Order: sequence, then C-alpha cells, then structure tokens
Amino acid sequence: DIQMTQSPSSLSASVGDRVTITCRASQSISRSLNWYQQKPGKAPNLLIYAASSLQSGVPSRFSGSGSGTDFTLTISSLQPEDFATYHCQQSNSAPHTFGQGTKLEIK
Amino acid sequence: QLQLQESGPGLVKPSETLSLTCIVSGGSISSSYYWAWIRQPPGKGLEWIGIISYSGTTYYNPSLLSRVTISVDMSKNQFSLKVRSVTAADTAVYYCAGREYSAYGYEYWGQGTLVTVSS
Repeated sequence: DIQMTQSPSSLSASVGDRVTITCRASQSISRSLNWYQQKPGKAPNLLIYAASSLQSGVPSRFSGSGSGTDFTLTISSLQPEDFATYHCQQSNSAPHTFGQGTKLEIK
Repeated sequence: QLQLQESGPGLVKPSETLSLTCIVSGGSISSSYYWAWIRQPPGKGLEWIGIISYSGTTYYNPSLLSRVTISVDMSKNQFSLKVRSVTAADTAVYYCAGREYSAYGYEYWGQGTLVTVSS
C-alpha cells in the first residue's frame, strides 16, 4: 500500500493568513493526488484533484501543487469558513489511501 | 447531479455482519462511475474500504480483504457493503462515495452513517 503522510497534524492560523499543508507519498503517485475539506459532522468535500485542478465551485484561494511524492495545498487568504480538517488522498493505485488529516483551527 | 444516501442498522453486535446500502439518485449506477465505501472511526482519519466499477470489478483494502464484500444492484440503482465478523474496531461513520471513471477524486458523497459495534 502507498502510505500518505500529512503535515502538520494541526495548525492554528488567523483570518487572512496564507496557509500551506503538505502531503508526502511513500512512493511516486505521479499527479494522482486529491485534497478534501471536511467540517464537523459532514462528509468530505473535494477541493483539488489531480494535484492542482480546482474542483468546480471551489474558491480560487485554494490551490494545489506537486508531483511524484511531494504535494502541497495552499489557502491564499484564510476565510472564517475555511477552518476545517483537510485530507489528502492518492488515487494512483488501490487502496486509495488517505493522509491522517490536518486540522486547521482559528488562532 | 448525483445524490447518494446510506442506509442500514446503526448498531451491530460483535462477530455479526455489518450491512449497508447506498442508494444512488439523479443518475444510473450502471453509468461509467466507480462506487466506493470509506469509513472514519470517531475522532480519526478516513479509511478507504473498497471500490466497485460500473462493470462490476472490485478492489478492496488488503487490511479488510478477508471480511468485506461490495456489490451492485442495478435493478435498485444501489450498491452495498458487507463487513463480516465485526469488532469494536469497526465502529465508524461509513460513507458511500462515487467518482466518474476518468476522474481522480471522489466528487459525490453520502452524508455518512454511524455504525456502532457493541453487544
């Protein structure tokens, strides 16, 4: 199985801050990396697919980059509704493993 | 726009079989989609359980391979999950999800259903 490691596990930031979350795969996954946002009691919501493609309806302050084993999710200017947990997931090969999640909290 | 809805018992006894169904509306389950089950133990991360293609091919998480079956019922436009010989470690919110065959990420999700394993 491909292991996905996110960092940090938690992060405190303020409205307006620029935030970056990283995800590392245990082997190359090309650009088969997806990012999800999850709010308490809700299902995950797809933000970014194929490493850098913005899902329809997702604000442009979200962006993704990377290829191979190292990937990042960047939020350019945090908004109050962005405080949530973020998950990366590889879809290069089954099982489509997730990272452990990054909880983004208000400072 | 596809909509997914999980259904099934919220409480299962240890050693028994957990059975969940995901009803798909707004589109045909036999179209070019992959259908997946993903779970999240309380306070923990997401675990991919397995997937079934529109053609019926399945892929399972090796950690659950011996206990899990995913199937599709095209006549009812739904797909199902069975987890055999459950223990407390199988307590989780279970999500069904879907993605187009050529897509990368899971665009469609059910709202999730909590299944507790307890006697």
